Formats: sequence, structure tokens, C-alpha cells
Amino acid sequence: NAGVTQTPKFQVLKTGQSMTLQCAQDMNHNSMYWYRQDPGMGLRLIYYSASEGTTDKGEVPNGYNVSRLNKREFSLRLESAAPSQTSVYFCASIQDRLNTEAFFGQGTRLTVV
Amino acid sequence: EDKVVQSPLSLVVHEGDTVTLNCSYEVTNFRSLLWYKQEKKAPTFLFMLTSSGIEKKSGRLSSILDKKELFSILNITATQTGDSAVYLCAVERGSTLGRLYFGRGTQLTVWP
Repeated sequence: NAGVTQTPKFQVLKTGQSMTLQCAQDMNHNSMYWYRQDPGMGLRLIYYSASEGTTDKGEVPNGYNVSRLNKREFSLRLESAAPSQTSVYFCASIQDRLNTEAFFGQGTRLTVV
Repeated sequence: EDKVVQSPLSLVVHEGDTVTLNCSYEVTNFRSLLWYKQEKKAPTFLFMLTSSGIEKKSGRLSSILDKKELFSILNITATQTGDSAVYLCAVERGSTLGRLYFGRGTQLTVWP
């Protein structure tokens, strides 16, 4: 019963490097989300995909890009990592407009040095 | 600007105590308010509230929403050390279903 799976769990990058965070859900959910969580800040939405083939910016999209590869997968890319992007990243999914309880992945702890 | 404010930010109690966590919000086109529990890793769902005055319960946890005064409370009775966690409040707007606006969370520590 996997739910929402994120990879990797931990990553250290040097400033300027790029990387892609992967997220996959096996619940046949329509909408997927990327959040970041910083100490004392709660979770903030980076990008979301309301349905396959669509993506939209959230509160803090600068420095990120996303791809909704198919219904299952939603990736987050950092093209040129900065220390300000050091954070814990969570992927989440919801089923549809009538069932909006979000299910979260286990998180990716990213450190940019 | 939409706001979700939780209080207190941290709370330390002893096992057996009852605690009340608060969440106030200012959000246009409100649809629902959700509570999550976060123990080091992924937030896990507790409650979704959409109607005023209807209490939701799960074991020792309960929650209620007041849409007139724009707040919700989460009660935990007979606390246990396993209740130690960050409790997150989030609000959903009707115009962007599923997109959640989170408060900063309340760090609850329960001592044996």
C-alpha cells in the first residue's frame, strides 16, 4: 500500500547544480502538489497539477519547474540550486473535487551548500 | 492576503492533560479546514471540517469549526506521549480545490 512515494529521501547539492525530485502516487488521484517546509514556516505550495497535462504556480514557484509526466507522476526540478532552496520538500495528491483530503509523501530533505 | 494563524506555537504538557489547539483564518471563498498531525515525516490527515458547529471526533481527538468567527479548535483529551507532534491547520479555498494554505503549526510535547 505505497500511497505517495518520493525519491530521493535525502540530497546534498552544491550551489548551481541541478536535480529532479520524483513523486509517484498509486491511488489514481487526479491532482498533485509540491510543497516546501522550512523551520517555523509551515508548508508552502510551490506548484500544483490539477489534472494530467496541466500545471500551475503556487505561492513560491521561483527557481523551480515541474512536469506532470502522466497521471501517476509529478516531478519537481531545480535548474540551478541556491542555498535558499534548502528545505524539506513534500509531494501530495488528492482524489478529485469531492474528496480533497491530501495524502503526503515522506518528504525529501534537500541541503544546498 | 490569505492568512492562517495557529496558537500557541508550542505547548508542553504532562500525560493525562487535556489540550486545546487554535486555528484562525482569513481566506476568501472558504471551502474547508483541515487538521494534520506531523511526526518528523509526512503530515497525516486528522479531520476535514466544512460546516459550523458540527464536532468531528476520532478517539481522544475532536475538532469543531466556527465559520462566523473564522476559527477552529482541536482538542486532545487524556494526552499520551505518542501525541507529541506538530499539529498543522490548513484551509482550502473553493476556487482552487485541493490547494491548501497552511499555518505554521503547533509543536505539542507530552512528558510522561
